Amino acid sequence: GESVGLHLPTLSVQEGDNSIINCAYSNSASDYFIWYKQESGKGPQFIIDIRSNMDKRQGQRVTVLLNKTVKHLSLQIAATQPGDSAVYFCAEVDSWGKFQFGAGTQVVVTP
Amino acid sequence: NAGVTQTPKFQVLKTGQSMTLQCAQDMNHNSMYWYRQDPGMGLRLIYYSASEGTTDKGEVPNGYNVSRLNKREFSLRLESAAPSQTSVYFCASRFNRGMETQYFGPGTRLLVL
Repeated sequence: GESVGLHLPTLSVQEGDNSIINCAYSNSASDYFIWYKQESGKGPQFIIDIRSNMDKRQGQRVTVLLNKTVKHLSLQIAATQPGDSAVYFCAEVDSWGKFQFGAGTQVVVTP
Repeated sequence: NAGVTQTPKFQVLKTGQSMTLQCAQDMNHNSMYWYRQDPGMGLRLIYYSASEGTTDKGEVPNGYNVSRLNKREFSLRLESAAPSQTSVYFCASRFNRGMETQYFGPGTRLLVL
């Protein structure tokens, strides 16, 4: 079946460095993709989204890249801060509004 | 705006007990969802309601029932809790249009002994 997955379960990054979180998807018919951040004990929060007809979108300190050729999505966080420590996961959304979520990557920011 | 609220925050049940998880949203969203989140797994959809008056099964509906009480409220009921239902439960809501995200509540942590 169709699935969304992440390559790395845990990413350790030094404060001030850039983080790259990856996500592989398999449904080529997905309409758009969303990255969420989930802090410990809290619900997921929207970070950024990207439509399937785009290959890059930038937000505040975050950039999402979409490579449809290899069905790969990445989230880049610039100048990672301690407050960025969380689980990050992607979601793919089809044209019916059905969401499918990846398992997530734990990002640990070290001083 | 409180967004999406859930009660209770934490609950311990014995096997066979029943309980209802409450969810409410104040964003006038059409759709509401119930997910469970287990370690190492992505969010799995239990039930959803595309609009007031409708409910549909998701990926893992067995052992659960839902009620879309009105546009604001969507409850999840466990009739006879089992240890396999130990999980964190998230409610979410969303507008049914365009490229809209889901907004999540803070979660309910359920332990079934």
